[in-house]
Formats: sequence, C-alpha cells, structure tokens
Amino acid sequence: DTGVSQNPRHKITKRGQNVTFRCDPISEHNRLYWYRQTLGQGPEFLTYFQNEAQLEKSRLLSDRFSAERPKGSFSTLEIQRTEQGDSAMYLCASSLDSTGRNSPLHFGNGTRLTVT
Amino acid sequence: GDSVTQMEGPVTLSEEAFLTINCTYTATGYPSLFWYVQYPGEGLQLLLKATKADDKGSNKGFEATYRKETTSFHLEKGSVQVSDSAVYFCALSDESGGYNKLIFGAGTRLAVHP
Repeated sequence: DTGVSQNPRHKITKRGQNVTFRCDPISEHNRLYWYRQTLGQGPEFLTYFQNEAQLEKSRLLSDRFSAERPKGSFSTLEIQRTEQGDSAMYLCASSLDSTGRNSPLHFGNGTRLTVT
Repeated sequence: GDSVTQMEGPVTLSEEAFLTINCTYTATGYPSLFWYVQYPGEGLQLLLKATKADDKGSNKGFEATYRKETTSFHLEKGSVQVSDSAVYFCALSDESGGYNKLIFGAGTRLAVHP
C-alpha cells in the first residue's frame, strides 16, 4: 500500500492553457474522489467515481472541467482554458467500500495549480 | 445544505497546554463526524471519527465526542506537543447519495511553541 499518488505536485500555467492532473488511488480501492482546496479554506467536493462510473459532479465543476477514470483505476482531471480563479490545490482521495457508510477516505498530497 | 463551522485560527499554545478546537455542524440527517489533520507539506490524514451520537473518537491523545444535542464535535487534547502543529479540519459525511461525501470546515491552524 503506497498510498494515493498525485502528479504533478506543482503546475504553473498561463491563463487560457489546458492542464491535466493524474491520480493513482490505493490499489483495489473502488471509489475515487476529487476535491479542490483554496487558500485558507477546507477542501470542497468536485466529483466522485465508483469504479469507472462518474456518479456525481458538483456545481463547482464547470464545463471547462472534465474527469475520467477509464479503467476504474487511475483518474485524470483536465481543466480547459484555465482562469486565474482555478488556482488551487486539487486533492484526490480513494476508499474501499461497498456499503457507503463510514468508509475512511485516503487523500493524496495534492497538485497545486497556479494560473498566471 | 449541510455545513461545518469551526473556530478561526491560528491557535497558538505553549507545549503541554490544553487544546480545544470548536466545531459545530448543520445537517439534515445523521452524519458521521471526522477530524482530519494536515501537517506541513503533507496530505490530509484522518485523525479520528465518530459515527453516532455520544460516540467518542480518539487517537494520538486527541479526542472528540459527537454531541447531537448541541450539534458539536469539539477536538481536545490534554497536553499538546510541538509536533502537533498543523491545520485541523472538522468534517461531516453526507451519505445521502450512498457514498462518503465529506463536507469540511475551513480549518484551524495550530502552532505549538516549546
């Protein structure tokens, strides 16, 4: 168990460019979550996958954002036409659960995005 | 909707002092409650949890009791150490969708001095 891995750790991009982040969950974890954390705030839920199916998307996830988990293992989060307001820490978490109750989330160290 | 409110930081304490970080919540159902900790340069780690009223979660000398009557889940530690310096997040679990969707407070930064 190597934990949840996120790449890259840091990304600096110019406004208008596209960026893609990757998350590798703990192996065999069937649930995967993306959160966004801005400075001085707690993480906010973005989206959730059960295996390869994306089952919920927050209203925070505008049309410029897309997330995939094609084989039910790793996931990618893409932001198109980045804006300065997208600057934040993007966190990935995973869990193994079949009942939906009380399953602890294991978080990665995050990808810090800075849009200039 | 569901929400979590926790005391603003930073909280600055001397080593061996008593710690309390207040957390209150608003929820329509019966959520599970959590404290997560974020050490400098690291990811969020689960510190402790409680799943029903009057449950007490504890770990590493920290404890918190699920108080349904006051909708609170205050974090306490009897004697803090410098190594406890971190940001602490209170969270509740909205499980109405059948999965563990966490709603976090804004976080409270704790700084412990020798």
